[in-house]
Amino acid sequence: SYVLTQPPSVSVAPGQTARITCGGNNIGSKSVHWYQQKPGQAPVLVVYDDSDRPSGIPERFSGSNSGNTATLTISRVEAGDEADYYCQVWDSSSDHEVFGGGTKLTVL
Amino acid sequence: QVQLVQSGAEVKKPGASVKVSCKASGYTFTSYGISWVRQAPGQGLEWMGWISAYNGNTNYAQKLQGRVTMTTDTSTSTAYMELRSLRSDDTAVYYCARGSPGATTYYFDYWGQGTLVTVSS
Repeated sequence: SYVLTQPPSVSVAPGQTARITCGGNNIGSKSVHWYQQKPGQAPVLVVYDDSDRPSGIPERFSGSNSGNTATLTISRVEAGDEADYYCQVWDSSSDHEVFGGGTKLTVL
Repeated sequence: QVQLVQSGAEVKKPGASVKVSCKASGYTFTSYGISWVRQAPGQGLEWMGWISAYNGNTNYAQKLQGRVTMTTDTSTSTAYMELRSLRSDDTAVYYCARGSPGATTYYFDYWGQGTLVTVSS
């Protein structure tokens, strides 16, 4: 089955840029979606189809995808961005959705 | 506005079954599929399966095949997920999520609030 690998944690100071990676075999050929989850809350879609933002999501959130790595970039990080972030793709070989293990973003 | 409202928390004994509901509003229910995703305490997200609200077609995660059944009631715009032969490691928050078509696959743009299912003797 297809495996998505995320770093367990990323730390960044307020105002700086956070980059959260999602690794997978030839992930650049897939569409990647990203979710933000704060404690005790349901996940929220922040980026879909590699780099598109749903309405209401700040422009500070952006995404890219190439080769074996997809990246969620959060610019001008704020304290309110502290959360767990998950990437998701569809694995065509199993016809299953797959989530990465999640990355905890800490704002220092 | 789009809303998915789930049923309340459940406590079940090992070997029992649980059925969680997810009532949709604010959109045409039969135009989208519903996926179910669970999250064990302190763990990540796990996709359980998907059901088309249009024709009832399903696609279940391999590890849950034989224990899970997803259904819909289009008259009430409600999706259901039943999990049988519950084990302690089924203890989790269960979410329903609407699947919207993206460029090549689906993304989950609206989520229910989650239903905690606790399996304990």
